Amino acid sequence: EVQLLESGGGLVHPGGSLRLSCAASGFTFSSHAMSWVRQAPLKGLEWVSAISYSDDYTYYADSVRGRFTISRANSKNTLYLQMNSLRAEDTAVYYCAKAVVGSTYIFDFWGRGALVTVSS
Amino acid sequence: NFMLTQPHSVSESPGKTVTISCTRTSDTIARNYVQWYQQRPGSSPTTVIYEDNQRPAGVPDRFSGSIDSSSNSASLTISGLKTEDEADYYCQSNDGNTVVFGGGTKLTVL
Repeated sequence: EVQLLESGGGLVHPGGSLRLSCAASGFTFSSHAMSWVRQAPLKGLEWVSAISYSDDYTYYADSVRGRFTISRANSKNTLYLQMNSLRAEDTAVYYCAKAVVGSTYIFDFWGRGALVTVSS
Repeated sequence: NFMLTQPHSVSESPGKTVTISCTRTSDTIARNYVQWYQQRPGSSPTTVIYEDNQRPAGVPDRFSGSIDSSSNSASLTISGLKTEDEADYYCQSNDGNTVVFGGGTKLTVL
């Protein structure tokens, strides 16, 4: 059974940092590109960042480029999102999403999400 | 960059059929695959359609997807509506490394 379990969310002050993790199981993690997608309270879905299956390529939305860093440890079946210089508008539930083999942006499975709250 | 425009809400009765549209604002809808995600209240998204019209394992065949070049839009059709289909539905596509979600459509089954 495919599982994606996010962790590391919490309350952080503006300007602070946080690192999210996504533990994957039930599939060959190293064969799939992965993404982070967020959802602000009562808002729609917003793609944040993606990483290739082999860790060769990373991609970012304009809203987070230069502040967030996506990475993965295929030996640990884990995806990460390092978030720096956090702003109030980064407050959201952050989902990790698994891409279909051979694609980067066709998501076929989502985690349960981790809530990040940026507030003073 | 392009946008994907969805109706804010739709409603229909149990047993009926509903279609949710997703219109691409620039370039052809066929340029990149369209996906559809269902999000029930309080839950994370699940994929109901990928690559325009493919259903993941476990998604009932009441769900179908299509694209229409004449209207430059994608559609999600749900037949034999059930109360459990009540949810928000999002379309999604990309152009290169720009990923776009539609604003979401709230489906009410009443």
